[in-house]
Amino acid sequence: KNEVEQSPQNLTAQEGEFITINCSYSVGISALHWLQQHPGGGIVSLFMLSSGKKKHGRLIATINIQEKHSSLHITASHPRDSAVYICAVAYNNNDMRFGAGTRLTVKP
Amino acid sequence: ETGVTQSPTHLIKTRGQQVTLRCSSQSGHNTVSWYQQALGQGPQFIFQYYREEENGRGNFPPRFSGLQFPNYSSELNVNALELDDSALYLCASSRTGRSQETQYFGPGTRLLVL
Repeated sequence: KNEVEQSPQNLTAQEGEFITINCSYSVGISALHWLQQHPGGGIVSLFMLSSGKKKHGRLIATINIQEKHSSLHITASHPRDSAVYICAVAYNNNDMRFGAGTRLTVKP
Repeated sequence: ETGVTQSPTHLIKTRGQQVTLRCSSQSGHNTVSWYQQALGQGPQFIFQYYREEENGRGNFPPRFSGLQFPNYSSELNVNALELDDSALYLCASSRTGRSQETQYFGPGTRLLVL
């Protein structure tokens, strides 16, 4: 069982829809990262969270430390948002564990 | 563009061979982490180097080894290649390597072991 569980595995949305991707983890962490991976492999760091909520443009990330859960929201989704979104948790010993990713397809 | 570069972009090797992958970190960053990503899976942490010393290691056998140089660039070496080593290898640099810090990823090296 993966220490980091993401849902859904795959998500198809129509342009303009509000999207939520969820991430749950099993043990205490020092930080949680949301990453975006495009076809071809390049990874971009979207957010690093240790508490609360962060917003960048149409992207919002929240974390609930007590419930060991984080969500990534995309408002007014666009076809260019199509990518794999990966949740990763960081521990104090510099180890990072990654979820399997959520493949998002936004159709025009 | 993150400023992190990796070479080569693609590589084909046969079982039993050895491979060296390279990563140049972003300017001002002294920490490099290496990850292995098998097809359809999330990345797995291999190890991290901070100021030329190994600073954390995931669950990978000793045939996975690394180096970091005084300019903070890094190498990942894999000996006695196995078919399951076929994957995308990603490096990421960060300023100090603290877990609460953004990492900047390179484009990856895709390794195929035949």
